[in-house]
Amino acid sequence: SAVISQKPSRDICQRGTSLTIQCQVDSQVTMMFWYRQQPGQSLTLIATANQGSEATYESGFVIDKFPISRPNLTFSTLTVSNLSPEDSSIYLCSVTGIGGYTFGSGTRLTVV
Amino acid sequence: DQQVKQNSPSLSVQEGRISILNCDYTNSMFDYFLWYKKYPAEGPTFLISISSIKDKNEDGRFTVFLNKSAKHLSLHIVPSQPGDSAVYFCAASENRGNTPLVFGKGTRLSVIA
Repeated sequence: SAVISQKPSRDICQRGTSLTIQCQVDSQVTMMFWYRQQPGQSLTLIATANQGSEATYESGFVIDKFPISRPNLTFSTLTVSNLSPEDSSIYLCSVTGIGGYTFGSGTRLTVV
Repeated sequence: DQQVKQNSPSLSVQEGRISILNCDYTNSMFDYFLWYKKYPAEGPTFLISISSIKDKNEDGRFTVFLNKSAKHLSLHIVPSQPGDSAVYFCAASENRGNTPLVFGKGTRLSVIA
């Protein structure tokens, strides 16, 4: 299965700023997903990012708040914009391929 | 509307005994089910999966049972070990490998020595 390098692993950010999370995959994958896990909650899908097209956002998530870049088949970024304490969560990227679903190690964001 | 439900937020089991984690789903289009284990500072780790064409899949100490008519699956861990203590997530997809996973809220398993 694919191996994903996700950065940063954690960050503490000020309100009103933005954080960009990167995921690098060791093989070419068509579909990449971004999830959020709020404290004590499940993993909730933010968007699906396919190379060469606009990301598809789930209900409750908008591009202005969570812009996604997918410049090629091995890399994607998720930006969480205009941060507020409610954005404090773990953010994870995931890919699917021949080996099944694989997840990055997650980014723990704390907004102060 | 929660499509995947894990109604037990926590479970405590003695070492050596069986752990049974339950999961219910509402979407009849789901055809692939997975269980993940997650520690706080890590991404989910895949444990075991089952396709809707099967009713049981076994891998070492882990067995997953699927009851399609009841839209219910369970994960059995035998024997339970202290290292199994973690949060377990049930997940499902409609088209294996081609759609994002839908997760339950997780069950925190504590295995007591």
